[in-house]
Amino acid sequence: EAGVTQFPSHSVIEKGQTVTLRCDPISGHDNLYWYRRVMGKEIKFLLHFVKESKQDESGMPNNRFLAERTGGTYSTLKVQPAELEDSGVYFCASSLTTSQETQYFGPGTRLLVL
Amino acid sequence: SQQGEEDPQALSIQEGENATMNCSYKTSINNLQWYRQNSGRGLVHLILIRSNEREKHSGRLRVTLDTSKKSSSLLITASRAADTASYFCATKGNGYNKLIFGAGTRLAVHP
Repeated sequence: EAGVTQFPSHSVIEKGQTVTLRCDPISGHDNLYWYRRVMGKEIKFLLHFVKESKQDESGMPNNRFLAERTGGTYSTLKVQPAELEDSGVYFCASSLTTSQETQYFGPGTRLLVL
Repeated sequence: SQQGEEDPQALSIQEGENATMNCSYKTSINNLQWYRQNSGRGLVHLILIRSNEREKHSGRLRVTLDTSKKSSSLLITASRAADTASYFCATKGNGYNKLIFGAGTRLAVHP
């Protein structure tokens, strides 16, 4: 069974540009989560999808971040326009059900904004 | 920090020694989990302990939970060089699904 995959693995962009990150959860997992770790700080929750619906987006930092999960399969996280402080590692995780306690994480996308 | 502290921030030991990492948290929890991250890779789930449990074992891992002190510890016995990684605790509260992570402990195990 394939795990959670994320694309790209690395992205280097200039301030003001747009970047779109993609996450493919484990097949059949309804729950998809985005987290990020910036500047070596702790990993922080961004948002949670149940199928295509946003269940909790309390961690989204501002309106420059837009997450979608059309069709309830893969998800994208777009940052527009990117700022220097957006640099970090963006992780995606999935779980089969909302009550399943273990979240399975992808390898992350390393974003560097110059 | 939304989570609290993990200590130590970094730990360097020799193969065969035991490694102990501690985690403190701030809010009431449903469960506490430990994850490992090898350099450049994703987070791997290690073990989960529920709020009504005090100790749990999995192979060379032993986790304790003290809800009165809002703290947990992860013990890795007979460490190996392959255990070199960052270790994170994460809590899941009641009524929501997001994980709240600590800052992590970087463990280096030298052959």
